[in-house]
Amino acid sequence: GAGVSQSPRYKVTKRGQDVALRCDPISGHVSLYWYRQALGQGPEFLTYFNYEAQQDKSGLPNDRFSAERPEGSISTLTIQRTEQRDSAMYRCASSPSSGGGEKLFFGSGTQLSVL
Amino acid sequence: GEDVEQSLFLSVREGDSSVINCTYTDSSSTYLYWYKQEPGAGLQLLTYIFSNMDMKQDQRLTVLLNKKDKHLSLRIADTQTGDSAIYFCAERPSGSARQLTFGSGTQLTVLP
Repeated sequence: GAGVSQSPRYKVTKRGQDVALRCDPISGHVSLYWYRQALGQGPEFLTYFNYEAQQDKSGLPNDRFSAERPEGSISTLTIQRTEQRDSAMYRCASSPSSGGGEKLFFGSGTQLSVL
Repeated sequence: GEDVEQSLFLSVREGDSSVINCTYTDSSSTYLYWYKQEPGAGLQLLTYIFSNMDMKQDQRLTVLLNKKDKHLSLRIADTQTGDSAIYFCAERPSGSARQLTFGSGTQLTVLP
């Protein structure tokens, strides 16, 4: 596609349920990032991949959060046993390079609401 | 850790210049970025500047970097109503960490 695509656009779930958020990066982009953005705040880093390898997951808040990118393209961010504090906009970004100074192209995000 | 700070709100009249300011704390940052966020849309990269530059100009946008004061600014000339959005400053530190650290964003409102 022309840009980074994320689905679903909105996700409402009950506390305790698991959710899976999908990111389809720009075709051919090497790096893929996940960020979380609370209302009124800037995005905060969660994790990133180069191809299929998860290079840094230091931003994942706890072990309920995990991410994968098995074929180096589409990525899934999974949150297990969701809690109300997980409610936020989850943003995915991709970059054509794995070197420094890369441009990050963001998707429109998935708005997660945990009731 | 790194901290990026921006003022929350800015209002300007259509046709005037807008200046959005940002301060950062990590002197090792290699690149600094400006992103624009419109309602319901993703973050759009407007421009970025390498840390060895003082200024970068791109059409109506001018980025100024003062490394000594760790101050970054974005000037938008001839501001239009379509420029109304939230503007985020972000830094990328040197070294192995490749994630960007964002400020909280500045809401720019352009008045007719």
